[in-house]
Amino acid sequence: QQPVQSPQAVILREGEDAVINCSSSKALYSVHWYRQKHGEAPVFLMILLKGGEQKGHDKISASFNEKKQQSSLYLTASQLSYSGTYFCGTERRDRLIFGTGTRLQVFP
Amino acid sequence: KAGVTQTPRYLIKTRGQQVTLSCSPISGHRSVSWYQQTPGQGLQFLFEYFSETQRNKGNFPGRFSGRQFSNSRSEMNVSTLELGDSALYLCASSSSAGDETQYFGPGTRLLVL
Repeated sequence: QQPVQSPQAVILREGEDAVINCSSSKALYSVHWYRQKHGEAPVFLMILLKGGEQKGHDKISASFNEKKQQSSLYLTASQLSYSGTYFCGTERRDRLIFGTGTRLQVFP
Repeated sequence: KAGVTQTPRYLIKTRGQQVTLSCSPISGHRSVSWYQQTPGQGLQFLFEYFSETQRNKGNFPGRFSGRQFSNSRSEMNVSTLELGDSALYLCASSSSAGDETQYFGPGTRLLVL
C-alpha cells in the first residue's frame, strides 16, 4: 500500500513556506524524498533513516516521526525553482514504494 | 559520471504489439529498477534487477518482463500492448539493492494507439 501525501497540491508566492506530509499505514524504516519537475525525471532530495535526525538541504528540510509513521518535508522561503511534484518513498521489502505525490507551484 | 540513460525517449505503438525499452545505469551501479508513471496512478514499481537477477517484482501482469545483462544494462519488455500501457517508463539505478538513493533516467514515453 502506497504512502499517502498531503496536501495534494500547494500554491505559494515566492518567499512563503510549505509543509508536505507523508503518512504510511505500515512501520517506516526510512523515507526518501524526490522532486520531479514537469517533463523531467524525479531527482533525489534526501533520505531519512529510522532513528536518524532531521535533515536539511539548503532551505528544504525534513523530519521523520517513527511513532506517527510519518515524515514531513519543510520548504522555507520558497523559490520559483521549488516548483514541481514532490514524492516520498518508503522502503517495503527492499524496494521503494512511492507516495501519491504533492504538486507544488511557486509564483512570483 | 554519466547519468542513467534510456532509449528510446519516445515510442508510439498500436494495441497488440510488443515493445522493448532499454536502460543503461550509472557506471558501477548494479541495481536497476523500473517504474511506470501515469497521471492517475503516480509512480508504480514494476521490478528490480540486481546482478542479472530479478530481486523484486511489483503487481503488474506477466506481459511486463525484464532482464539485466552482465554489464548491468537492463531491458524491459511489454507484450500484447494495451491502451492502458501508455505511460512514462522510468528506470532508476542505485549502487546496491535495498535502501539506497535511486538515480532516475529521463524515461521513455510510450503511447499505445
